[in-house]
Amino acid sequence: KNEVEQSPQNLTAQEGEFITINCSYSVGISALHWLQQHPGGGIVSLFMLSSGKKKHGRLIATINIQEKHSSLHITASHPRDSAVYICAVKSKRGATNKLIFGTGTLLAVQP
Amino acid sequence: KAGVTQTPRYLIKTRGQQVTLSCSPISGHRSVSWYQQTPGQGLQFLFEYFSETQRNKGNFPGRFSGRQFSNSRSEMNVSTLELGDSALYLCASSITSGEQYFGPGTRLTVT
Repeated sequence: KNEVEQSPQNLTAQEGEFITINCSYSVGISALHWLQQHPGGGIVSLFMLSSGKKKHGRLIATINIQEKHSSLHITASHPRDSAVYICAVKSKRGATNKLIFGTGTLLAVQP
Repeated sequence: KAGVTQTPRYLIKTRGQQVTLSCSPISGHRSVSWYQQTPGQGLQFLFEYFSETQRNKGNFPGRFSGRQFSNSRSEMNVSTLELGDSALYLCASSITSGEQYFGPGTRLTVT
């Protein structure tokens, strides 16, 4: 079983819809990252969370440390949000920036 | 501030050759991590350097090596290239243990 699981693997939405992507992890973490990767593109860090909730524009990320679960929400989705969204965790063990990645969620927002 | 830069952006090599990839972190960032992204395995951690010392290493064969210079620039080397080494190689920098900023990646094709 992977240490970081994401769901769904694929998601198709209509423009304007509210989108939720989920991430569950099985290790103790010091932080969780949400990353975005457009097709053929590099990776952009959207959020780094260790507790609670963060908001940036139409994107909201939440984390529940006790339940080892995080969600990424996109409000009023737009075709430019189409990308792969990747959840990654930084282990609590040791002084390291090593990230353990989920397999990603491929989001397609149709106009 | 300039972002993380990686050179070269694209590279084609032949099996058995070796390759060196370069990463220049954001000014002031002392931690550089390297990751490999393939369609089959997704994103995997290669190694991390902090203040010229390897702080952590992923589960890759000894053909993969790296180093970091006093100006925090980092290089990774892959010797005796195999077809399976074809991948997008990403580096990410951070100040110490904070948010990681990813470079655009080097796409390596081994023929």
